[in-house]
Amino acid sequence: AQKITQTQPGMFVQEKEAVTLDCTYDTSDQSYGLFWYKQPSSGEMIFLIYQGSYDEQNATEGRYSLNFQKARKSANLVISASQLGDSAMYFCAMREPGGAGSYQLTFGKGTKLSVIP
Amino acid sequence: SQTIHQWPATLVQPVGSPLSLECTVEGTSNPNLYWYRQAAGRGLQLLFYSVGIGQISSEVPQNLSASRPQDRQFILSSKKLLLSDSGFYLCAWSVRVASGGLYEQYFGPGTRLTVT
Repeated sequence: AQKITQTQPGMFVQEKEAVTLDCTYDTSDQSYGLFWYKQPSSGEMIFLIYQGSYDEQNATEGRYSLNFQKARKSANLVISASQLGDSAMYFCAMREPGGAGSYQLTFGKGTKLSVIP
Repeated sequence: SQTIHQWPATLVQPVGSPLSLECTVEGTSNPNLYWYRQAAGRGLQLLFYSVGIGQISSEVPQNLSASRPQDRQFILSSKKLLLSDSGFYLCAWSVRVASGGLYEQYFGPGTRLTVT
């Protein structure tokens, strides 16, 4: 069963506007973590922001914020004041229990964001 | 600061040929190491992870294997490549913690493999 769902294959946003990228997840664990990564056309995966399941405040990192709604199991990424350099694929991921001392990330299929000048 | 290297950056190999992709991490000790594959237009699929030298866990049965001969070196191999092995291979590292752990994974630049 799919554990991370990103329902928007592609999104367009006007430069300087805000945009929300959707992510819903499914887990029975009480302790989990949610991550957002950015993948530009060069291919590297860039860590953006993290939200822990017990964090009471929504995570923020500069222009990125995570709208965490635990009861709805959603962890949407909000990018404020979009820039042309924000054009990329964005992946939502969830930590899953791994072996001792480790954990694994399960990724969604991603959303391609295009910023329009 | 920590850095992660992967090579080669791109690779074109014929079906049936062997494969060796290397990943090294600098600036940290005892990292957890991971190999992911990304098919075109898709998300990442975890292939292998390692919590220490010689300790490899496989997530997806296939004709690939991984080894960790040194603390900060992770190698992905195959004896005979298949067409379906084409993709973008990413190595990642994270801090190792005693239990669970919610630390982010940092990714290398990736290797784009085309099997012809």
